[in-house]
Amino acid sequence: EDQVTQSPEALRLQEGESSSLNCSYTVSGLRGLFWYRQDPGKGPEFLFTLYSAGEEKEKERLKATLTKKESFLHITAPKPEDSATYLCAVLTGSARQLTFGSGTQLTVLP
Amino acid sequence: GAVVSQHPSWVICKSGTSVKIECRSLDFQATTMFWYRQFPKQSLMLMATSNEGSKATYEQGVEKDKFLINHASLTLSTLTVTSAHPEDSSFYICSALAGEETQYFGPGTRLLVL
Repeated sequence: EDQVTQSPEALRLQEGESSSLNCSYTVSGLRGLFWYRQDPGKGPEFLFTLYSAGEEKEKERLKATLTKKESFLHITAPKPEDSATYLCAVLTGSARQLTFGSGTQLTVLP
Repeated sequence: GAVVSQHPSWVICKSGTSVKIECRSLDFQATTMFWYRQFPKQSLMLMATSNEGSKATYEQGVEKDKFLINHASLTLSTLTVTSAHPEDSSFYICSALAGEETQYFGPGTRLLVL
């Protein structure tokens, strides 16, 4: 059974304090790893898809990386508007459904 | 691009009534859409996979007669919560599959059953 574990569950940062969120996975036949951002009371917003180990993608202050066992979402010099829950999900085998982690709730204090 | 809308964004209804939620892909066609339920402080729970022109596939434990799904076109899927009860109160989110892999999510519908 595919498993996705995100850590930490919650993270509080000061504005400008860079950090990383972790998504570790145990799956068979990874087709893609996805990062989403979810604000309270809203649906998840697509951020990145990573397909193979060594791949990196960037968007503004966010950079996602992928290894054979985990993915990191690096946040450089975060701002309060980066506060949200960040969800990691995997797509495996021939499935169309995503398997989600439980998310990391990020709070960036001004 | 890849915008998904949901309507309504919130609904309050009396116990025993039925509620219909629409999910539309606005700028792309989606043969596959998904319906999720999310409880406070929890991740998304997949309820069913909606397939255009065919029956939906429900996850284990989800009552198909309770949560009716219709995917009548390439841009519209509907979820009807039949005879809603307070325990059905939740945040319902749809997503649409763009291509083979990436799901784009709607803004969600908050349902409160009194």
